[in-house]
Amino acid sequence: ETAVFQTPNYHVTQVGNEVSFNCKQTLGHDTMYWYKQDSKKLLKIMFSYNNKQLIVNETVPRRFSPQSSDKAHLNLRIKSVEPEDSAVYLCASSFTGNAEQFFGPGTRLTVL
Amino acid sequence: QQQVRQSPQSLTVWEGETAILNCSYEDSTFNYFPWYQQFPGEGPALLISIRSVSDKKEDGRFTIFFNKREKKLSLHITDSQPGDSATYFCAASGSSGSWQLIFGSGTQLTVMP
Repeated sequence: ETAVFQTPNYHVTQVGNEVSFNCKQTLGHDTMYWYKQDSKKLLKIMFSYNNKQLIVNETVPRRFSPQSSDKAHLNLRIKSVEPEDSAVYLCASSFTGNAEQFFGPGTRLTVL
Repeated sequence: QQQVRQSPQSLTVWEGETAILNCSYEDSTFNYFPWYQQFPGEGPALLISIRSVSDKKEDGRFTIFFNKREKKLSLHITDSQPGDSATYFCAASGSSGSWQLIFGSGTQLTVMP
């Protein structure tokens, strides 16, 4: 099965903790993305990354960072979570230069 | 500044009716417009897309109408089914050589049986 996989499905943590979310795609794509979807379902791009270039949305706080081991994996690390980080984090992938993106099911983060 | 706008925010139709979801954009360099469908607890799934060289794209019950001059497009869902109840996002890309997608705020569609 080819798709975009994310773990965990849900994560509950306390303010100040560090969290890491995993994303893997088996579509053979070479660009991956992280989006944040807030409680109003607004989708905002956080990062796009291929093996040559990391593009960061300038509004993303520095406590967020992407981590990639190869072109099929792009994890998201949040160094010290804040209450406003509660959201659904969606991973997506595409071929470089192609806007047709495929999304994973998301990881719902709740910060207490 | 919201580059992609959607209306209405929510829409309720009866089973069998045609649902019309609207989208407009500001950047004239946008040239690719996908629509995504999202069910609760799932990620957005690509439903249908259109490029700016076309004015219509049809796939089964789903049709995109595109008006480049007015920078508007709409998604028509004919013979709406309760299973079509979801949030629909219009997106756009192509500006300044970027392949990144700019999403609208979504339309929550409810199809009543």
